[in-house]
Amino acid sequence: DSGVTQTPKHLITATGQRVTLRCSPRSGDLSVYWYQQSLDQGLQFLIQYYNGEERAKGNILERFSAQQFPDLHSELNLSSLELGDSALYFCASRVRSNNEQFFGPGTRLTVL
Amino acid sequence: GDSVTQMEGPVTLSEEAFLTINCTYTATGYPSLFWYVQYPGEGLQLLLKATKADDKGSNKGFEATYRKETTSFHLEKGSVQVSDSAVYFCALWGAAGNKLTFGGGTRVLVKP
Repeated sequence: DSGVTQTPKHLITATGQRVTLRCSPRSGDLSVYWYQQSLDQGLQFLIQYYNGEERAKGNILERFSAQQFPDLHSELNLSSLELGDSALYFCASRVRSNNEQFFGPGTRLTVL
Repeated sequence: GDSVTQMEGPVTLSEEAFLTINCTYTATGYPSLFWYVQYPGEGLQLLLKATKADDKGSNKGFEATYRKETTSFHLEKGSVQVSDSAVYFCALWGAAGNKLTFGGGTRVLVKP
């Protein structure tokens, strides 16, 4: 158990819909990273938050957004969903002192 | 930008065989290098890491040496078990210091 929690574990929805994925980092970690794992694109970094502020952006679509709340949990919002958004979405929190990232179990999103 | 290239799988081995997964990288400066493992249906777990040239990371019988001259971080295990069946990801934390860059992953299947 990495200490990073993600909900829900599975999500099935239809094209055009909007979903919210939730992540709670390990106790004491201020950073949250979101990654997308798909068959064709592999593991891609989406976005990072640190103590409530956006710190870095990767290959995140404009239809996607995220935020980190004062209790440090983070939410990834995916809207106007397309079939190609079907993927595993991971969040990770980072040990500040040595750049190690600990990953949650992921949310598997299926868009039908 | 930073990139990681690792050998494509699947790699199929018999139990007690020797495993090597090649990984090479492109990055500016001196990245930290990691191997993550993803067991079926689970998230990514940090397997081992190395933070500077000639460092050797090791864990659970796996080893990898940070070779700056060849920009490589090959993963090896002398005697694999069925329980080592998983997808292995090579990754780097670059000088920009804001995300992990992953290779495409190598699926390993160990048969009894």
